[in-house]
Amino acid sequence: QSALTQPASVSGSPGQSITISCTGTSSDVGGYNYVSWYQQHPGKAPKLMIYDVSNRPSGVSNRFSGSKSGNTASLTISGLQAEDEADYYCSSYTSSSLFGGGTKLTVL
Amino acid sequence: EVQLVESGGGLVQPGGSLRLSCAASGFTFSSYWMHWVRQAPGKGLVWVSRINSDGSSTSYADSVKGRFTISRDNAKNTLYLQMNSLRAEDTAVYYCARDDRSGGLLLYVWGQGTLVTVSS
Repeated sequence: QSALTQPASVSGSPGQSITISCTGTSSDVGGYNYVSWYQQHPGKAPKLMIYDVSNRPSGVSNRFSGSKSGNTASLTISGLQAEDEADYYCSSYTSSSLFGGGTKLTVL
Repeated sequence: EVQLVESGGGLVQPGGSLRLSCAASGFTFSSYWMHWVRQAPGKGLVWVSRINSDGSSTSYADSVKGRFTISRDNAKNTLYLQMNSLRAEDTAVYYCARDDRSGGLLLYVWGQGTLVTVSS
């Protein structure tokens, strides 16, 4: 069982917004601003989408945003597109497991 | 172009050994901590091991401690993972990744992965 808890799946229609949560503890998510989010398409390597809770690497669409409240971090994707369908993983280097269990995003 | 290319995966019998390599190009390899992350078929990402920039410090997941050894050759721009006493549960795609925060697990660059299958 991952120390970082994510929902197994979320879904949304094109154009809608969705939010994926990542719940940890005060020792990891809640205590530090070192939460990252990775996107992984089937058969592909993970890609860094968000770091330090809310920062986007160069080249990542501004439709992707991150936030944190207490021990829960969140990834929001606005204006859903078919290409956003993928697995998403949160990460916190202070967590015992380092990665969440992953969330499968389905674009309906 | 910044790139990581893994190699060395394949089919190995339980109890066997395998050495994975990760060739880096397009950046100053010796300046970065590096990690190995694995993903069993249909499962999530699991951190395996990390090494600091000069190779003097390493860390391992409990599940591989004592069986796997991470190392690097900065002159050859290559990261390695020596895997011994392999078990069926080690079957996974193994990714190498560059840490842009020196141990802070900011994995900005990833390789394409290499598949290790442990089976008789």
